[in-house]
Amino acid sequence: DQQVKQNSPSLSVQEGRISILNCDYTNSMFDYFLWYKKYPAEGPTFLISISSIKDKNEDGRFTVFLNKSAKHLSLHIVPSQPGDSAVYFCAASVQGGSEKLVFGKGMKLTVNP
Amino acid sequence: EAQVTQNPRYLITVTGKKLTVTCSQNMNHEYMSWYRQDPGLGLRQIYYSMNVEVTDKGDVPEGYKVSRKEKRNFPLILESPSPNQTSLYFCASSLLGEKLFFGSGTQLSVL
Repeated sequence: DQQVKQNSPSLSVQEGRISILNCDYTNSMFDYFLWYKKYPAEGPTFLISISSIKDKNEDGRFTVFLNKSAKHLSLHIVPSQPGDSAVYFCAASVQGGSEKLVFGKGMKLTVNP
Repeated sequence: EAQVTQNPRYLITVTGKKLTVTCSQNMNHEYMSWYRQDPGLGLRQIYYSMNVEVTDKGDVPEGYKVSRKEKRNFPLILESPSPNQTSLYFCASSLLGEKLFFGSGTQLSVL
């Protein structure tokens, strides 16, 4: 039973446009959400996070939105750049830590020049 | 440079031949963890450790062992590897309650 779901396996966008990556979760106890980015032949790297006490967190071109009532979060990348092409993992945890972090299956983003 | 180092990067072995994948971090992190990544399944946690001599099972621990004798090292041991353990493995570490830092991965093939 997947507690963190990334239902779209891939997304392709044009450079300069917005990329929106979606993530749904089923466990209402999750209170900390993260996005990780992974390039081929490298380990995942932390991108951005949000606590359940917020509904938005912004870091440069990256914004994460959290809708607790819908158990849904999304990552917006504006403007998208070719270097953003990677696999993005949504992750969630209880009590705000990385311990027992639950990951989604990942979504491959391709940004075309 | 702060990093999590895994070795080897690539490993091909045969069924039943014991192997160890090493993981070391130089950030004085208390928490360390092993994940495996499989197509269509994402990242799944195998084992984790909250500190020296403290380890616990993750979601898919069967067929794996770990030890945490020193704070910086967290080796993953496959006593009798089987083909279903063919996967991409990642070690990760963090301060308690902070974000994870991942190693570059170990691609394991069990024939």
